Amino acid sequence: DSGVTQTPKHLITATGQRVTLRCSPRSGDLSVYWYQQSLDQGLQFLIQYYNGEERAKGNILERFSAQQFPDLHSELNLSSLELGDSALYFCASSSRDDLMNTEAFFGQGTRLTVV
Amino acid sequence: LAKTTQPISMDSYEGQEVNITCSHNNIATNDYITWYQQFPSQGPRFIIQGYKTKVTNEVASLFIPADRKSSTLSLPRVSLSDTAVYYCLVGDTNDYKLSFGAGTTVTVRA
Repeated sequence: DSGVTQTPKHLITATGQRVTLRCSPRSGDLSVYWYQQSLDQGLQFLIQYYNGEERAKGNILERFSAQQFPDLHSELNLSSLELGDSALYFCASSSRDDLMNTEAFFGQGTRLTVV
Repeated sequence: LAKTTQPISMDSYEGQEVNITCSHNNIATNDYITWYQQFPSQGPRFIIQGYKTKVTNEVASLFIPADRKSSTLSLPRVSLSDTAVYYCLVGDTNDYKLSFGAGTTVTVRA
């Protein structure tokens, strides 16, 4: 158990809909990262928050948005869903913001299926 | 972000040692080298991190030569449960993105 909690574990929704994925980081971790993993794309970095503020952006679509709340949990909002958005979405957390030089802890992921 | 190159796949047998080499020719002075393991449908798991020479923990060893342009992850006496994808990551402290490459798929056979 990494200490990072993601909900829900599975989500099935229709095209055009909007969903919210939730992540609770490890206790004390200030950084939260979101990743998308689909079969043909590997792990793609989406966005990072550090202590409530956006720190870095990756290949995140305009239809996607995220935020980190004062209690440090984070939500990833996906709207106008398309079939191609079907993927595993992972959240990771770390105590520092320079993730390349520290240990990141990943949650078990949310499997999103768009039908 | 220092680009890394690692083999796409490796096969091994139970009880053998598996060594995965990662090339990172453009590694910068302050960069660390980090390895993650990922099982299907699970989040990556941190294995080991090092800066130079040799680092060992209960799971693996990481060998880094003096020029730091490559590193080797060593998994001693692998078992079937070590079948996974292994990622090598290198980056500078100004890059917050923690980008994963394709990784090395290690398959351990009985």
